[in-house]
Parts: sequence; structure tokens; C-alpha cells
Amino acid sequence: AQSVSQHNHHVILSEAASLELGCNYSYGGTVNLFWYVQYPGQHLQLLLKYFSGDPLVKGIKGFEAEFIKSKFSFNLRKPSVQWSDTAEYFCAVTPGLGFNNDMRFGAGTRLTVKP
Amino acid sequence: DAGITQSPRYKITETGRQVTLMCHQTWSHSYMFWYRQDLGHGLRLIYYSAAADITDKGEVPDGYVVSRSKTENFPLTLESATRSQTSVYFCASSTAGPGYTEAFFGQGTRLTVV
Repeated sequence: AQSVSQHNHHVILSEAASLELGCNYSYGGTVNLFWYVQYPGQHLQLLLKYFSGDPLVKGIKGFEAEFIKSKFSFNLRKPSVQWSDTAEYFCAVTPGLGFNNDMRFGAGTRLTVKP
Repeated sequence: DAGITQSPRYKITETGRQVTLMCHQTWSHSYMFWYRQDLGHGLRLIYYSAAADITDKGEVPDGYVVSRSKTENFPLTLESATRSQTSVYFCASSTAGPGYTEAFFGQGTRLTVV
């Protein structure tokens, strides 16, 4: 089964700093990739997803992620973070073909943005 | 209101007791899921359902039972709660498998087993 690794457990940034959160997965076949965000006290929401095509995916709130197949990576980026980006971020992966109800999540990265 | 709701939001129960967590969605989504969220593990799939009366195990099903007699409801039962089942439980729904489309999550149920 596929698995997901998120390198950073907790990231602390100042407002306007650039953000990059790492995500690596282990699965040999085609994959669909996702980033979900969980703001304090709220439910998970989809930030962006990659199925195929342009490996640079743009999501909501200025976030983007780049799929690098050779590195099995799907890192999340934002050029300039805001205090409101404080949240927990989860990378997730499913097989890209076939019956794929088994979405695997990484352990999450907690982002704290200082005003 | 349309959406996905979980109840209760918080629950404390004793070891050995049976407890049921409720999940209700108003979108008529075919697929529903139960995840548990634990520090250091992210979200792990417990059970999922592709339609009414169709359920299947996920990554960590032991100690849990689900049913889905109606499309909109997907209750999760802990038959005999253990301390290791202390966790935050999230229900989700989607129109297709989560690999195909966005999954919509409830706000979670924080369960403490003492």
C-alpha cells in the first residue's frame, strides 16, 4: 500500500516569509495527490489536487504544489504567508488508476505564522 | 443546513462500554468514510462505504463496526471501547472515491476512553 511522509512536524514562520512543506510518497504506480488544510477548530478542507497534466498545481488562497515524479514528491509552497495561514497541513495520496478508496494521509505539518 | 455533521462533538466513555459516533450528510454522496486522527499518524482510514449496504475495511478496522442502511447516515460503533481508541474521529463523504474527487469532512468527534 502507498504511504506518505511529511518531513516537518512543526514549522514556525513570520508573516511574509515564504513557505515550503515537504511531502514524499511511496508508491510505484500512477498516483493522485492532494493537500488538505485544517484550520484551528475546523474540519479538513481541500487546498489543491493533482491528477495529471501540468505538474505545477495552483490551489486556493495562493497555495501551489509541484509534482516531481522522479523524486516522488509533492511539495506545497506559498510565496508569502499570512497569520491566517496558521493551520495543520496534510498531504494525501491515492492510486491513480482503478478502485482507489484507500486515501493515505501523511502525519501532518503544523504551521504557525507569527504576526 | 446542507453539509456533513457529526455527533457528538465530544464524548468521554469508560473502557469496555459500547459507543456510537454518528455521521449525517445531506448531499446524497455515494461514498462515506471514517478516519481517526492521532498525533504522529495523521488520518487513518477505519471503514468506508461506497453506497447504502456496502461497507469495507480500511487501514485500521479492528474494534470498530459500521453500518449504512441509509445513504445519508454512516454510524461508527466501538463495541467495547479501549484506551487506544482515544482519538479524534472524522467522517467524510464524496461523490466518488476520494482519489477521484474532493472529500468533504465533518468537524470531528473527540473521543476519550478512560
